[in-house]
Amino acid sequence: QVQLVQSGAEVKKPGDSVTVSCKASGYSFTSYDINWVRKAPGQGLEWMGWISTYNGETNYAQKFQGRVTMTADTSTSTAFLEMRSLRSDDTAVYYCVRGLISGTCNWGQGTLVTVSS
Amino acid sequence: DVVMTQSPLSLPVTLGQPASISCRSSQSLVDTDGNIYLSWFHQRPGQSPRRLIYKLSVRDSGVPDRFSGSGSGTDFTLKISRVEAEDVGLYYCMQGTHWPRALTFGGGTKVEI
Repeated sequence: QVQLVQSGAEVKKPGDSVTVSCKASGYSFTSYDINWVRKAPGQGLEWMGWISTYNGETNYAQKFQGRVTMTADTSTSTAFLEMRSLRSDDTAVYYCVRGLISGTCNWGQGTLVTVSS
Repeated sequence: DVVMTQSPLSLPVTLGQPASISCRSSQSLVDTDGNIYLSWFHQRPGQSPRRLIYKLSVRDSGVPDRFSGSGSGTDFTLKISRVEAEDVGLYYCMQGTHWPRALTFGGGTKVEI
């Protein structure tokens, strides 16, 4: 069955960078885009951006442009989210998602990133 | 960017009774292909979100038929015909019509018994 397995929780200091991975299995990795969504404590879901796993094309939400990079390694069927210059308000659970808009939708289990001095 | 506004923020419900959540977009969500890419998601505490409805009214596989989505243009509704205990949690609408420029979630509605 389709699975998106994310990397474990991270604790970072303000100004640090973090990379979250999302390993896909159970389907053809390059046939589906991956979106990244986060949920901060007490806040709603927030779309961060999208990557085409087929050709690496990306589109980031305006809020994250310049601070986020999404990549995909087709040899390992893994998508990555790198976020730089972390702030305390980046503390959130980060999710990778396949098929967010239509078709079958699958979410990773989430990765908690805590930013604290 | 398209702004998605949900109401109410909090919705007390009674088991076995109907419930509905409203979602309004700042721009029309009718795509050039005629589809309305409006989805609804449900999230329980400590769990990943789950999509319930996509393309306005299509239920995802395994979603009970007590959930239904409707609307047009800029006004949308998620209805639960008879609330069950497992329906508590947060509900979000999301527009995908303006992807890949942007996807936008509503602020969320907390459903509690």
